[in-house]
Amino acid sequence: KQEVTQIPAALSVPEGENLVLNCSFTDSAIYNLQWFRQDPGKGLTSLLLIQSSQREQTSGRLNASLDKSSGRSTLYIAASQPGDSATYLCAGYNTDKLIFGTGTRLQVFP
Amino acid sequence: DADVTQTPRNRITKTGKRIMLECSQTKGHDRMYWYRQDPGLGLRLIYYSFDVKDINKGEISDGYSVSRQAQAKFSLSLESAIPNQTALYFCATSVVTQDETDTQYFGPGTRLTVL
Repeated sequence: KQEVTQIPAALSVPEGENLVLNCSFTDSAIYNLQWFRQDPGKGLTSLLLIQSSQREQTSGRLNASLDKSSGRSTLYIAASQPGDSATYLCAGYNTDKLIFGTGTRLQVFP
Repeated sequence: DADVTQTPRNRITKTGKRIMLECSQTKGHDRMYWYRQDPGLGLRLIYYSFDVKDINKGEISDGYSVSRQAQAKFSLSLESAIPNQTALYFCATSVVTQDETDTQYFGPGTRLTVL
């Protein structure tokens, strides 16, 4: 069974810290990987998509990397802010489907 | 206006009732998807459609059916709702671009409670 695992499940940090969210997948057929943000009671917002030919993508304070050989992706958030508080989901593309991890719930306190 | 809309946003119903959740999109995408989200389980794919005449089962299709009425509309039905179908349901759309990227865009979700 394909699995996408996210560690940690929850994280609480003070404002200003740099942090790393981890995503690992067991299926080598996963080719692209996407990171999403979900606010409570809301839908998913796409943050970054890393294609199989890329190793990383950057958007503002966010940087996501992909290492297919080890089945890992990381989302790096620089200088965290209270507005970054949300659940972060990673999802791997396998053929025509997205396989989701269970998410990391992030709280950034002032 | 949102590109992917879902109606209703919240619904409470009773066991055995028939429920339809609707999804509309203005993105012009061919591909549409239905997921459910449960605490601790992430999002799981119920059904997906790559075109108006194309319907495919996902990971957890039992107890659900879908209808792709038009390119822009994809409905999810629960013929006889049961309490373990209580969840947050998401619709998504995507299109494959020239570089073969297939990015999914999600609606705001429908919270369904089955009593």
